[in-house]
Amino acid sequence: AQTVTQSQPEMSVQEAETVTLSCTYDTSENNYYLFWYKQPPSRQMILVIRQEAYKQQNATENRFSVNFQKAAKSFSLKISDSQLGDTAMYFCAFSGMNSGYSTLTFGKGTMLLVSP
Amino acid sequence: DADVTQTPRNRITKTGKRIMLECSQTKGHDRMYWYRQDPGLGLRLIYYSFDVKDINKGEISDGYSVSRQAQAKFSLSLESAIPNQTALYFCATSDPDRGRTDTQYFGPGTRLTVL
Repeated sequence: AQTVTQSQPEMSVQEAETVTLSCTYDTSENNYYLFWYKQPPSRQMILVIRQEAYKQQNATENRFSVNFQKAAKSFSLKISDSQLGDTAMYFCAFSGMNSGYSTLTFGKGTMLLVSP
Repeated sequence: DADVTQTPRNRITKTGKRIMLECSQTKGHDRMYWYRQDPGLGLRLIYYSFDVKDINKGEISDGYSVSRQAQAKFSLSLESAIPNQTALYFCATSDPDRGRTDTQYFGPGTRLTVL
């Protein structure tokens, strides 16, 4: 079974600064996908970014980018130029070939607070 | 308009009552999921369905049942609610993209409180 670990329960950053959220995972599968989801106070789950394990290039979406280290089984999220609207719970998630790349295993989340 | 809707959005009930949470989607996706979120535990999969005739148990299916009434509708039932089923419940949908993983899209969630 896969496990996803987010070791930072809470983080704080000031507006306009850069912050990195950590995620590690454990799997015996070779083909899989990794995701970061954001959950603001509205509680809606919003996809932030997706990484395919067979791609060496790190995914980017505007101010959001990942540092994917397959050998180390690490998948961190970097948020540049942090904005107040980035305040949210962030979840790292894994989807593997054994489940048909369908079911998600989530980490416990990191609460990010962006202050003025 | 929301692509994935959940009803009710909030519900308070008593121990022993039967509760149904409903999920509808207009995305045309075949795959639907029910997750439960507890503080400090992230989201955990309860049940999932790849099509109307395919229902699968997830990590924490005990105490729950589901019904896939149509491609667009997937309901979660608690036959006899108990307090430790108090949680935030999410429905999600996805559509595999030819050999690639299918990204899941979530509904707004239902907050259920069992007294």
